[in-house]
Amino acid sequence: EVLLVESGGGLVQPGGSLRLSCAASGFAFSTYPMNWVRQAPGTGLEYVSGISSDGGRTYYANSVKGRFTISRDNSKNMMYLQMGSLRAEDMAVYYCARKLIPATMDVWGKGTTVTVSS
Amino acid sequence: QSALTQPPSASGSPGQSVTISCTGTSSDVGGYNYVSWYQQHPGKAPKLMIYEVSKRPSGVPDRFSGSKSGNTASLTVSGLQAEDEADYYCSSYAVSNNFGVFGGGTKLTVL
Repeated sequence: EVLLVESGGGLVQPGGSLRLSCAASGFAFSTYPMNWVRQAPGTGLEYVSGISSDGGRTYYANSVKGRFTISRDNSKNMMYLQMGSLRAEDMAVYYCARKLIPATMDVWGKGTTVTVSS
Repeated sequence: QSALTQPPSASGSPGQSVTISCTGTSSDVGGYNYVSWYQQHPGKAPKLMIYEVSKRPSGVPDRFSGSKSGNTASLTVSGLQAEDEADYYCSSYAVSNNFGVFGGGTKLTVL
């Protein structure tokens, strides 16, 4: 079964840091680019960050550039999102997703919730 | 403000058809055939329903269809069923970034 499982979410104070993980199984992880997408409470979907299949190219939304770092370890079938200088507006459910082609993600995890509050 | 414009809501009775629009520009929807649609039930992850404007992934009922004209893409759900009630998001490749852009989402209600 093709599966993505996020972890690492939780409560963090403004200005704090958090590292999200995405564990992949059931497919050739190293051959797919991957994305992080988030959804703030009651709002729509927002692309956060993306990474090429070999990890050599990374992309960030303007809203997180300079604060978040995406990475992957193909030997462990894992993707990560290191989040720093967290703000209230970063509070959301964070999904990892497998990218097929531009703007197309065919496998999604169930998401992990990040709460930013003092 | 989302880059792609969707109506906030749409509705139809069981068995009817409903079409949801997604309007962008020539730099995204109008310029590329990388338009996709996602279905999201409350508390669940999004699910890919349509990609490359009109292609259906395996397992998606053929009641779901996609099309595009100019800068506007559309998702049509025919033969509405209760389980189709969900939020629907469009997404398109955009020349301005490396991801693509999402629409603001449309809440589909089955009356």
